[in-house]
Amino acid sequence: EAQVTQNPRYLITVTGKKLTVTCSQNMNHEYMSWYRQDPGLGLRQIYYSMNVEVTDKGDVPEGYKVSRKEKRNFPLILESPSPNQTSLYFCASSVRQGDIIYEQYFGPGTRLTVT
Amino acid sequence: GQNIDQPTEMTATEGAIVQINCTYQTSGFNGLFWYQQHAGEAPTFLSYNVLDGLEEKGRFSSFLSRSKGYSYLLLKELQMKDSASYLCAVRDQNQGGKLIFGQGTELSVKP
Repeated sequence: EAQVTQNPRYLITVTGKKLTVTCSQNMNHEYMSWYRQDPGLGLRQIYYSMNVEVTDKGDVPEGYKVSRKEKRNFPLILESPSPNQTSLYFCASSVRQGDIIYEQYFGPGTRLTVT
Repeated sequence: GQNIDQPTEMTATEGAIVQINCTYQTSGFNGLFWYQQHAGEAPTFLSYNVLDGLEEKGRFSSFLSRSKGYSYLLLKELQMKDSASYLCAVRDQNQGGKLIFGQGTELSVKP
C-alpha cells in the first residue's frame, strides 16, 4: 500500500530534550516536506526537500533541522524543543518534475507537546 | 508575497450544494490544489487546477480563474461525512518547492 508513515504519532516531552520525528514514504517520491498545523494559522511549511541531499527552508524553519540521506526518509529534528513548538506535525511527499510539485500525500500526523 | 483567503466556516444542509471560495495573490501562480481534512487527520487530495475552467470529479468540482485569482470548490449532494475542513493551496513557481496553504474552511453539514 502506497503510504507516508510518521513516528511517533504522539509525543509529550520536556523543554530542551532533543527529539526526532521520522517520516518514510514508499512511493519513490523525490519531493518531501514537513508542515506544522496550529489553530488559526493553518498549515505552514517548515522544510522541504527536492531530492536526496537537497533541503530548503520553508516558512517557519527556526528551531528545526532536517536531513535527506535516502530518498524514502526525511526525519525532522528538534535539537532543543521549546513550548512554542507544541503543534501537530505532518510529513508529505509527492512526485516532482523539475520545479513542478504535484499533489502531496500526507502522513497521519504527529502530535507533539513540549512542557 | 502570497496571500490566500478562504471563509473560516460554512454550514450547509445534507443533500444540498455548497460552494467554498478561495482567492489568492501570488507572483508566479503555477497551480491550485484543494484538500479535505477531517479533524485530527491528515489532509487528503481532492483536486488540482492549473488552467482556467472547471474540473469535475464525482460529487466534487473545482473551478479556476487565473485572471481573477479565484477558485472555488463545489460539493454536490452533501453528505454528513463531508463535514471537514477544506484547504486551498497555491503553488508558486517563484517559490521553488513551496506550496502555500490557506487557513481552511470548516464545513458543517447538518441533517
